[in-house]
Amino acid sequence: DIVMTQSPDSLAVSLGERATINCRSSQSVLYSYNNKNYVAWYQQKAGQPPKLLTYWASTRQSGVPDRFSGSGSGTDFTLTISSLQAEDVAVYYCQQYYSSPYTFGQGTKLEIK
Amino acid sequence: EVQLVESGGGLEQPGRSLRLSCAASGFTFGDYAMHWVRQVPGKGLEWVAGINWISGISAHADSVKGRFTITRDNAKNSLFLHMSSLRPEDTALYYCVKDISSGLSEAFDIWGQGTMVTVSS
Repeated sequence: DIVMTQSPDSLAVSLGERATINCRSSQSVLYSYNNKNYVAWYQQKAGQPPKLLTYWASTRQSGVPDRFSGSGSGTDFTLTISSLQAEDVAVYYCQQYYSSPYTFGQGTKLEIK
Repeated sequence: EVQLVESGGGLEQPGRSLRLSCAASGFTFGDYAMHWVRQVPGKGLEWVAGINWISGISAHADSVKGRFTITRDNAKNSLFLHMSSLRPEDTALYYCVKDISSGLSEAFDIWGQGTMVTVSS
């Protein structure tokens, strides 16, 4: 199984500042035949189901604010929130869909400093 | 409006069976792969099972393999999870999830609100 490891486990950032969450996969999730990284990022607010933010590592889902961006390739990936807003308080998960089982990271809790 | 509504959860004893259902609306259900993902309250996400658009391919997590089976009925816009030999560690909120593709798995773009399964004597 591919293990997804996020860092940090929790993060406190001031409003308007940048927040960065990292995710590392235990093996490459870059599929050579199409040059795509099989990684997605999700946001889960308290009491709600997860919401898809980005997929193919860097493609933003429709309707997601452009302050959210995904990057990385191979085994190392990053979710960046360029200017933190109060409504961004949530737990963030990375996920690989390169191979079954489609594993998630353990989650990163983002709070306001 | 795109919507997934789960049902069938509840309290069940270890060793017994349960069937979860998911009613889909607002999109062409038969065009997309579907999944079940579970979450112990306060904990992380665990993918449970997935099935492609035409039921030709399915996959299950090792933790449920041989006990749970994912199926779908495209004519009724419905997804199911047949759960048997339930264990206390199966206790979780079970989400019905839509894939962005028709194949077995890409990203998961629509999530239901979940149905809670509690396994306890």
